[in-house]
Amino acid sequence: SQQGEEDPQALSIQEGENATMNCSYKTSINNLQWYRQNSGRGLVHLILIRSNEREKHSGRLRVTLDTSKKSSSLLITASRAADTASYFCASSGNTGKLIFGQGTTLQVKP
Amino acid sequence: EAQVTQNPRYLITVTGKKLTVTCSQNMNHEYMSWYRQDPGLGLRQIYYSMNVEVTDKGDVPEGYKVSRKEKRNFPLILESPSPNQTSLYFCASSSTAGLGGYEQYFGPGTRLTVT
Repeated sequence: SQQGEEDPQALSIQEGENATMNCSYKTSINNLQWYRQNSGRGLVHLILIRSNEREKHSGRLRVTLDTSKKSSSLLITASRAADTASYFCASSGNTGKLIFGQGTTLQVKP
Repeated sequence: EAQVTQNPRYLITVTGKKLTVTCSQNMNHEYMSWYRQDPGLGLRQIYYSMNVEVTDKGDVPEGYKVSRKEKRNFPLILESPSPNQTSLYFCASSSTAGLGGYEQYFGPGTRLTVT
């Protein structure tokens, strides 16, 4: 399988804490993307980091990429109850095909 | 409003009865794709299309067909559905122009149950 892996599979934190999710992928990439999914609904794009970038920020999100280790991490700072969702990484090569990880389910308790 | 629409949103059918799930996007995107999502397995790509009349198999194409006759539409066809195709299906599209990096826009999903 070409699927990436994410860990942890599930994460439960208190509101205000930071949440970190990790992703590993298997093939060389053009970019890596993170998506969010609220229960049973469509995925929403959060952030994209290109293979020549090492870190990227968007609001409370911080993404890092280590192409030598074929890994990425997503940090959500100062989490809110509304951040409760599943988060998926997706690696993309030159064809545009996305290979998704299995996701991390985040629960933020108020 | 820029969006990807799928129909139907929910479908219960019986084994062997042909069905089509429609997908349409209004963003003039070249790239469209179908995924299925199953518990513990994440999203797996079924088929994708880089442009009109160009389609390619994804990771799990068996039992599915697609066509791309128009840029905006990318229907998913199950010629003879089986219970193992019970799943949540997502259509997605993206632009392949420039350095956009293929951010994908997802439809709301179609929950299919095959009995």
